[in-house]
Amino acid sequence: QSALTQPPSASGSPGQSVTISCAGTSSDIGDYSYVSWYQQHPGKAPKLMIYELSKRPSGVPDRFSGSKSGNAASLTVSGLQDEDEAEYYCSTYIPFTNSWVFGAGTKLTVL
Amino acid sequence: EVQLVESGGDLVQPGGSLRLSCAASGFTFRLYSMIWVRQAPGKGLEWVSYFSDNLFTRSYADSVEGRFTISRDNAQNSLYLQMNSLRVEDTAVYYCARVRGSSGWLDVWGQGTLVTVSS
Repeated sequence: QSALTQPPSASGSPGQSVTISCAGTSSDIGDYSYVSWYQQHPGKAPKLMIYELSKRPSGVPDRFSGSKSGNAASLTVSGLQDEDEAEYYCSTYIPFTNSWVFGAGTKLTVL
Repeated sequence: EVQLVESGGDLVQPGGSLRLSCAASGFTFRLYSMIWVRQAPGKGLEWVSYFSDNLFTRSYADSVEGRFTISRDNAQNSLYLQMNSLRVEDTAVYYCARVRGSSGWLDVWGQGTLVTVSS
């Protein structure tokens, strides 16, 4: 199973919106709504930000939103704040193999 | 508080073995599937292995198949990863994570334990 494709970097100024893309195939993102997004600050464990394409766990600000179009998913961060600066990973679960695929990560910089 | 705590990471020579542990607390461990995910220094996340809540299903990434074995002890609320024939490229921080729902999102992560394979 190939890794999902993410841009290596993204940036925006405080208050702006930024969207991070995650490209997959018809066998993973295209077939299922099993995409989740994780935020990771340096030296810390990943944190779940979005699951099932667009759902937010309790405690995650509504500035974070997710969507899907065809074989690609996206994470949008609105009203950027300094604490949003982190690495973001998309992931999808492949049920028929009980496996997970991650993107390579996108470093989000708040200018 | 729902918590996962990994332990067992160490410096080991190529070809050596190591056993990682993940202690769960604050939730009913036996009701959840669990996975191991690793992150090589400066690199991204890589799924390693999965163990289902019903104890029937285990799976492994191709990169560790035949060398790593996942297990769990529900009485001890613990998940394990036995790593044999370790390679330099297995050097990474290893995280355990809790699996939620049929769509496999990972809602709780441990802090990670560092495995370094080097001569």
